[in-house]
Amino acid sequence: ETGVTQTPRHLVMGMTNKKSLKCEQHLGHNAMYWYKQSAKKPLELMFVYNFKEQTENNSVPSRFSPECPNSSHLFLHLHTLQPEDSALYLCASSQDGTGGEKLFFGSGTQLSVL
Amino acid sequence: KNQVEQSPQSLIILEGKNCTLQCNYTVSPFSNLRWYKQDTGRGPVSLTIMTFSENTKSNGRYTATLDADTKQSSLHITASQLSDSASYICVVSSNSGYALNFGKGTSLLVTP
Repeated sequence: ETGVTQTPRHLVMGMTNKKSLKCEQHLGHNAMYWYKQSAKKPLELMFVYNFKEQTENNSVPSRFSPECPNSSHLFLHLHTLQPEDSALYLCASSQDGTGGEKLFFGSGTQLSVL
Repeated sequence: KNQVEQSPQSLIILEGKNCTLQCNYTVSPFSNLRWYKQDTGRGPVSLTIMTFSENTKSNGRYTATLDADTKQSSLHITASQLSDSASYICVVSSNSGYALNFGKGTSLLVTP
């Protein structure tokens, strides 16, 4: 148990659906992240929140919309996704959001877009 | 462009044998290098961190090395166990900016 919990673990959705991924961390960290992991590719940073403020948006399409209501919770709202968006979506947290910190990952949401 | 290259892409070894995974990087300026282990169906978990001044660091049966001059790191696993089957990801951070640089990972399978 890493202290970072993601739900749901698996999600299948059509291209016209709207769904949300949830992440919660119990570590008292101040930074939270969304990463995308596709087969045979390195992890891709999507968004960074530091003290609830978005500090990074790595050119992510607008069909992905993050929300960070407090430093313990992070959401990723999904709408009108494409099949190429199918991947494992990982949430992570770290103490202060400074580069090179140790990341604590959740178990991820395996997303399939039909 | 900052890059992290890992080899081999995949590896199969018998239980009890040793193995070494490689990570070459071009990230500059260098801050630190971490090895993560990712079990199937789980998120990555940090195994060890190497900073510029460190050459070798052990964590149980895992030993990481760093050669900052040649920009290479290795992860050596001794007396492998079935539970070592996982993907091992090399992550290099830079002093410049926030971004972490991830390798694609090495998929290790330990068989009985």
